[in-house]
Amino acid sequence: KQEVTQIPAALSVPEGENLVLNCSFTDSAIYNLQWFRQDPGKGLTSLLLIQSSQREQTSGRLNASLDKSSGRSTLYIAASQPGDSATYLCAVKTGANNLFFGTGTRLTVIP
Amino acid sequence: EAQVTQNPRYLITVTGKKLTVTCSQNMNHEYMSWYRQDPGLGLRQIYYSMNVEVTDKGDVPEGYKVSRKEKRNFPLILESPSPNQTSLYFCASSRLARDTQYFGPGTRLTVL
Repeated sequence: KQEVTQIPAALSVPEGENLVLNCSFTDSAIYNLQWFRQDPGKGLTSLLLIQSSQREQTSGRLNASLDKSSGRSTLYIAASQPGDSATYLCAVKTGANNLFFGTGTRLTVIP
Repeated sequence: EAQVTQNPRYLITVTGKKLTVTCSQNMNHEYMSWYRQDPGLGLRQIYYSMNVEVTDKGDVPEGYKVSRKEKRNFPLILESPSPNQTSLYFCASSRLARDTQYFGPGTRLTVL
């Protein structure tokens, strides 16, 4: 069964710093990997989706990479802002229907 | 506005009292699914539906039922809720199973 791990569980950085969030998974036979953002009391917002054939995706200050062979993905956030404070979740899709989530990294950006 | 809606957002109930959490999407998505989120365990898939009248179990289906009679709606049914079903529940939809999933705002359920 696929297991998804995110380390660290929590991270605090000063505003303006560049940062990297890590995600690892045990089964490299994936269809895609998604990064989500979750704000307290709200649902999940999809940030980036990387198909298994892709190496990276970019959206604004966010860049996600995927290394299927090593079972790793990173989410790079450039020039962090207090509004980036949230929990970031990665999820891998294996098989047509199964989506496996990590437990998330809680990010705090200090003004 | 494209969205996934869930009702109710908060619910406190007692053991054994049947309840239904509704989920509706207005994006004409074929794929819908339910997840529960628990501290330390992350989100786990309960049930999913590939299309109308097509549903299947996820990782933690015990104690839950679903139906998909219309494309836009995917209710989650707890026939006899128990305290271990106290959790935060999310409904999600996507155009196809492999596409980006759009999540509802969540339903916080407490079973006493």
